[in-house]
Amino acid sequence: ETGVTQTPRHLVMGMTNKKSLKCEQHLGHNAMYWYKQSAKKPLELMFVYNFKEQTENNSVPSRFSPECPNSSHLFLHLHTLQPEDSALYLCASSRDSGTTGNTIYFGEGSWLTVV
Amino acid sequence: AQTVTQSQPEMSVQEAETVTLSCTYDTSENNYYLFWYKQPPSRQMILVIRQEAYKQQNATENRFSVNFQKAAKSFSLKISDSQLGDTAMYFCAFMKLQTGANNLFFGTGTRLTVIP
Repeated sequence: ETGVTQTPRHLVMGMTNKKSLKCEQHLGHNAMYWYKQSAKKPLELMFVYNFKEQTENNSVPSRFSPECPNSSHLFLHLHTLQPEDSALYLCASSRDSGTTGNTIYFGEGSWLTVV
Repeated sequence: AQTVTQSQPEMSVQEAETVTLSCTYDTSENNYYLFWYKQPPSRQMILVIRQEAYKQQNATENRFSVNFQKAAKSFSLKISDSQLGDTAMYFCAFMKLQTGANNLFFGTGTRLTVIP
């Protein structure tokens, strides 16, 4: 049982498609994150939201568009992706990214394949 | 910039035995946090153990313990009485002490297989 749930777990999309990944946390946290996990590379932070406000964009291409309507939900909108964007996308949350050292809890990830 | 190095891409251990996974990191910070996460085949990243750099005492969590050597910038994970459910990828991660975003810097991971 995870406090951070992601849907869909698997997604295959064409380069011209528009799709979205959804994340919901049930932990009462205020900060949410998107990470990208590619083969043979360390996890990369993409975006951070704290109290619904974006506090970090780690030089992510504009074909990835995050949305955080409230502290419990986080979306990643995808459009005109490239095959190299195929990866596992992990959502995470923590109590408050403005307070240092809070443990970050992860969801199970969404496998994305771009064809 | 912070870097985290896990020099053992793969390791195996016999069930009930003890195994140690290595991690080194590079930082100019004096205060920070270190974590070990486990990623089983389900792909969920699960926190195993956490260490605050200002604490000299090594963190322990049941069968999991760390050997934190601040001067050497080393943070190894020891798993005692290994169980089949410990089979997973293990990631070492570093977090700076700062306000604002809590960014975790991850190593490339060690794949641990527990052999029955």
